[in-house]
Amino acid sequence: GAVVSQHPSRVICKSGTSVKIECRSLDFQATTMFWYRQFPKQSLMLMATSNEGSKATYEQGVEKDKFLINHASLTLSTLTVTSAHPEDSSFYICSAASGSIGSYNEQFFGPGTRLTVL
Amino acid sequence: AQTVTQSQPEMSVQEAETVTLSCTYDTSENNYYLFWYKQPPSRQMILVIRQEAYKQQNATENRFSVNFQKAAKSFSLKISDSQLGDTAMYFCAFSTNTGNQFYFGTGTSLTVIP
Repeated sequence: GAVVSQHPSRVICKSGTSVKIECRSLDFQATTMFWYRQFPKQSLMLMATSNEGSKATYEQGVEKDKFLINHASLTLSTLTVTSAHPEDSSFYICSAASGSIGSYNEQFFGPGTRLTVL
Repeated sequence: AQTVTQSQPEMSVQEAETVTLSCTYDTSENNYYLFWYKQPPSRQMILVIRQEAYKQQNATENRFSVNFQKAAKSFSLKISDSQLGDTAMYFCAFSTNTGNQFYFGTGTSLTVIP
């Protein structure tokens, strides 16, 4: 149980286009979802936290108009990179948390999405 | 503010040997959770082991065990009988009791040498 999927796993796009990444909790209801960005050989950088039905909370320095997050249901959150540019190229990871699973505030991670902007 | 520090960017160990990865953290919270995550070349984050701060007993999961020193704010990971499949990035993480936000360390790249 506690599986999180991400789609697509890889995406290559032209500069100026928008890209949508989906994050789904497959077998549990995720009250909170998180979006991270990871540069090569670096740690995960939290971009934003979203709760179902409410606006996402963005970390300092993350442009909310650039990275649109929608958490429309308890099993789906989307990250849209608007007007992508080469500097947005990165590995994006989502995770999901549910208070009903375990007692450790555990996050379950998706497999990540590799975004390359040409 | 919570911080997590991993002072060993890279480590290596011979297959079947034991290795210890260090992690220290800083917090003013009394109740919290600590985790070690493994990120193999596939980039999928895998939970290795977790510890609740109010539990004095060190967590163990098969070949993986932790040395949790609450007063020293230290949370090291010991991998026994290292296997080639243990080669990965290892991240120490901290979570408060009140929220689901994680604070990650910078990671330790572990290579198991055959």
